[in-house]
Amino acid sequence: DGGITQSPKYLFRKEGQNVTLSCEQNLNHDAMYWYRQDPGQGLRLIYYSQIVNDFQKGDIAEGYSVSREKKESFPLTVTSAQKNPTAFYLCASRRGADTEAFFGQGTRLTVV
Amino acid sequence: KNEVEQSPQNLTAQEGEFITINCSYSVGISALHWLQQHPGGGIVSLFMLSSGKKKHGRLIATINIQEKHSSLHITASHPRDSAVYICAVLGSNFGNEKLTFGTGTRLTIIP
Repeated sequence: DGGITQSPKYLFRKEGQNVTLSCEQNLNHDAMYWYRQDPGQGLRLIYYSQIVNDFQKGDIAEGYSVSREKKESFPLTVTSAQKNPTAFYLCASRRGADTEAFFGQGTRLTVV
Repeated sequence: KNEVEQSPQNLTAQEGEFITINCSYSVGISALHWLQQHPGGGIVSLFMLSSGKKKHGRLIATINIQEKHSSLHITASHPRDSAVYICAVLGSNFGNEKLTFGTGTRLTIIP
């Protein structure tokens, strides 16, 4: 079955450490997205990629980095520069503009 | 003011009731999504629509582009419908790839 897989579901890290969240899709979608969800707020866009080897900053990119070396994969690194990294992170993909978005199950990151 | 506003924020209803969740937006859009988020956090896309009405099972979504408003209806609601329902809009500006999300409506259906 096609879909988006995020791993791990729960992640704990010590303050000051970088951590990488995985997002893989087998839908052959060109566009992939990373969102952050905080209680009481709508999802906010961190980074997105419309094609392999290209990505753009979203609304809250500071303290995050991404890569898009393969069409199927769009990992997100939460760096030590991110001041408030504890959140729920969602990955999504779309075939292209004006097409339906598919979401992963999310990764809940807790930094202690 | 948020670009996407949902109402109500929380809704509790008895099993069997007809449910309506509203979404208003202030920007030009090319499409609107209704999404469902269960307690585990994963999100499922229910509808994507740019005009008129769509129906899937007990779910109906409508959109009025002129009034910048969409509604999600659930007929014969069931406890398994309990979830957070999120409206998201895709901007109509050329090259705008970003979805803008509402804060969600938390629906609880009591048996």
